[in-house]
Amino acid sequence: AQKVTQAQTEISVVEKEDVTLDCVYETRDTTYYLFWYKQPPSGELVFLIRRNSFDEQNEISGRYSWNFQKSTSSFNFTITASQVVDSAVYFCALSGLGSQGNLIFGKGTKLSVKP
Amino acid sequence: SQTIHQWPATLVQPVGSPLSLECTVEGTSNPNLYWYRQAAGRGLQLLFYSVGIGQISSEVPQNLSASRPQDRQFILSSKKLLLSDSGFYLCAWGRRAGDTQYFGPGTRLTVL
Repeated sequence: AQKVTQAQTEISVVEKEDVTLDCVYETRDTTYYLFWYKQPPSGELVFLIRRNSFDEQNEISGRYSWNFQKSTSSFNFTITASQVVDSAVYFCALSGLGSQGNLIFGKGTKLSVKP
Repeated sequence: SQTIHQWPATLVQPVGSPLSLECTVEGTSNPNLYWYRQAAGRGLQLLFYSVGIGQISSEVPQNLSASRPQDRQFILSSKKLLLSDSGFYLCAWGRRAGDTQYFGPGTRLTVL
């Protein structure tokens, strides 16, 4: 069975601090995809990144970076120099090729960035 | 570019009343369509998905049903709402299995 665990329920930081959101996944598939989504207070889920299981290169996009390690089944997300606008709930998700690619979500991490 | 619409944005309904939530996608054809529910506590649960017109798969047995009468239209329904149906309903589309899913703005449903 597929599973995504986000052990951090809530994180609170002060603006300009770096913060890492953890994500650990379980799957028996050899081909799978990992995602991060942001859910601001408005509720809409905003797509941040997609990685496939064959590409372990870390990725950086502005203040955001992702660390994918198959050896530990982790796909962690770091925000550098956090800003108040980063306050949101962040979801990690997993998808295989079966069941038409349905997303299995973690329970989310609520990030609060205080000025 | 592709856009996804959901309506209504918010809804307050009495227990036992019917429900119809609509989702439409623009700018793409033959998408996979999905309904998710987010109950209090933030977890997202897949309810239904569809790979084509009239093709619906249910992930969780419940008081709800879904239909896809047109290629880019996905409807979530109930004949009689329960209190436990309250939540935030999100529609999403994707091109195929494993591709990114893009979400609509959601409908916040409160059943009283």
